[in-house]
Amino acid sequence: AQSVTQLGSHVSVSEGALVLLRCNYSSSVPPYLFWYVQYPNQGLQLLLKYTTGATLVKGINGFEAEFKKSETSFHLTKPSAHMSDAAEYFCAVSSYGNNRLAFGKGNQVVVIP
Amino acid sequence: GAGVSQSPSNKVTEKGKDVELRCDPISGHTALYWYRQSLGQGLEFLIYFQGNSAPDKSGLPSDRFSAERTGGSVSTLTIQRTQQEDSAVYLCASSLEQVANYGYTFGSGTRLTVV
Repeated sequence: AQSVTQLGSHVSVSEGALVLLRCNYSSSVPPYLFWYVQYPNQGLQLLLKYTTGATLVKGINGFEAEFKKSETSFHLTKPSAHMSDAAEYFCAVSSYGNNRLAFGKGNQVVVIP
Repeated sequence: GAGVSQSPSNKVTEKGKDVELRCDPISGHTALYWYRQSLGQGLEFLIYFQGNSAPDKSGLPSDRFSAERTGGSVSTLTIQRTQQEDSAVYLCASSLEQVANYGYTFGSGTRLTVV
């Protein structure tokens, strides 16, 4: 079975500082990896994804993530936090032929002015 | 439609009553998913429909929960004899056949409160 671990349910970051959200996955087959963002009272929105090819993936709103097979990680970063980045972020894993995503428990990001 | 539509957006019900939650997926999306989001618990998979195949019901927490998808489009999630622990946000998502290429598109959810 595939699974994702996100540590630290709440993450505080100062405005203008680096945003780093950690995601580690477990998969016996090559993974497909996703990051989603959820703003208050909204559904989840796809930020970025990795399936094959380049391991550094760029997404919307200035976010990027790097797939590191040796570390089984797919950490999400943004160089400079903005107040509008306050939201909940979910990492998810799937694989070829598997149409289900397994989600982590999420990180609630708070941006401090 | 342009996105995944869920109704109602909020539902308050008394313990023991039945509720129906509706999901209208993106036109042409063959796959439809229901997830439950509880505070601090992340997203819990409930059920998955793919085309005309039998649904994957492995995530339904009890036999009080059921879902159907009519005509390969609209889906209804039914919870019978609701309990307070059923209070959560119920999210519906749809995708094209190869989810890896597109991920899911989520609706805004139905917030269910059982009092």
